[in-house]
Amino acid sequence: DTAVSQTPKYLVTQMGNDKSIKCEQNLGHDTMYWYKQDSKKFLKIMFSYNNKELIINETVPNRFSPKSPDKAHLNLHINSLELGDSAVYFCASSPPPGAGAYEQYFGPGTRLTVT
Amino acid sequence: GEDVEQSLFLSVREGDSSVINCTYTDSSSTYLYWYKQEPGAGLQLLTYIFSNMDMKQDQRLTVLLNKKDKHLSLRIADTQTGDSAIYFCAESMYSGGGADGLTFGKGTHLIIQP
Repeated sequence: DTAVSQTPKYLVTQMGNDKSIKCEQNLGHDTMYWYKQDSKKFLKIMFSYNNKELIINETVPNRFSPKSPDKAHLNLHINSLELGDSAVYFCASSPPPGAGAYEQYFGPGTRLTVT
Repeated sequence: GEDVEQSLFLSVREGDSSVINCTYTDSSSTYLYWYKQEPGAGLQLLTYIFSNMDMKQDQRLTVLLNKKDKHLSLRIADTQTGDSAIYFCAESMYSGGGADGLTFGKGTHLIIQP
């Protein structure tokens, strides 16, 4: 069974549209994250959620809104898509503090192309 | 501020050892990680080291941490064609109080020559 899954794997859409990317983890982790990897492969954190609460919100345009309906899901909604939003978006999760493994497990990524 | 630096490319011959270096600036980093990304794939955690350790070995992988110089290295022994990938160094201040994200370096492209 996949530990961290994302849908869709590929997303091609036009400028101005609104789209969502879904993420689910079946590891029982408390914390989930969204990262963006640009065309040069640079990875940067966007958001993190701990028990459905927003913890980190880096300097990301407010067109991006994470939504966590429950501990196992963290979805990323993007309004008014722009060309510069084209990237690979990775979801990740990590166990709670003191659980012994300080690892972040990454999903397979969603390649977003805005035309 | 946090900053993690890596060389962008490393070319080695098959069978040789690869040493990928990383420097970081945040002295309060608690954990340091190495991730591997193959073309078109996600991120695979290779290994991590706590900041109170100097060395960690796992089969062909050896991680060395020089906390004084804020220098981390990953040595891959007997490099194979399957090791060809981008290797990311990352740091975290996962102090147990919350959901710290990882700060990544720009990644080192490991190129294997036959």
